[in-house]
Amino acid sequence: KAGVTQTPRYLIKTRGQQVTLSCSPISGHRSVSWYQQTPGQGLQFLFEYFSETQRNKGNFPGRFSGRQFSNSRSEMNVSTLELGDSALYLCASSLDRGSHEQYFGPGTRLTVT
Amino acid sequence: QQQVKQSPQSLIVQKGGISIINCAYENTAFDYFPWYQQFPGKGPALLIAIRPDVSEKKEGRFTISFNKSAKQFSLHIMDSQPGDSATYFCAARPREGGATNKLIFGTGTLLAVQP
Repeated sequence: KAGVTQTPRYLIKTRGQQVTLSCSPISGHRSVSWYQQTPGQGLQFLFEYFSETQRNKGNFPGRFSGRQFSNSRSEMNVSTLELGDSALYLCASSLDRGSHEQYFGPGTRLTVT
Repeated sequence: QQQVKQSPQSLIVQKGGISIINCAYENTAFDYFPWYQQFPGKGPALLIAIRPDVSEKKEGRFTISFNKSAKQFSLHIMDSQPGDSATYFCAARPREGGATNKLIFGTGTLLAVQP
């Protein structure tokens, strides 16, 4: 069974631009969560989607948004990029809400210049 | 504020030794405690996890010890090998209204196992 796929793997953007990251969960998994990983703040929860609905949101500004499609694939968008948004963005998929096992993708490395 | 504190920040262990990483949480509203292993350039991988109604869980060389009254849990890696060299994260899942997959992560421990 294929793992979690994230595209693109690397991205370089300029301040003020916007970016869209994509995540394809493991086949059959319906829950997708997003995390931001930085050296300073560690791994921080962004949001969680299930059945095309955002179920939970972390403490991030409104510039961070996401959505989930009917096939469980998810995208996250960051608008008006700031230097501090440079991070590894990780997607995790789970079979269901409250599932004990979450499987992470390799992440998208975003660099904002 | 929900928080998980992890120590040490880094750890050097000789091959064959025991690696011990500790985590503590500040409130009781968590219902699941996983440990993740992350290699450079990769996403975190689930190693082992425990629920608060269990005091210990062992899977191969990896053991979680859980002390509910002290609000602490730890990861023990027995017979540590150079291939175990990675960053380890503890995490906790908040017990919120309705099921959630949200995890609160510790700050990570960089483990180096010397041959």
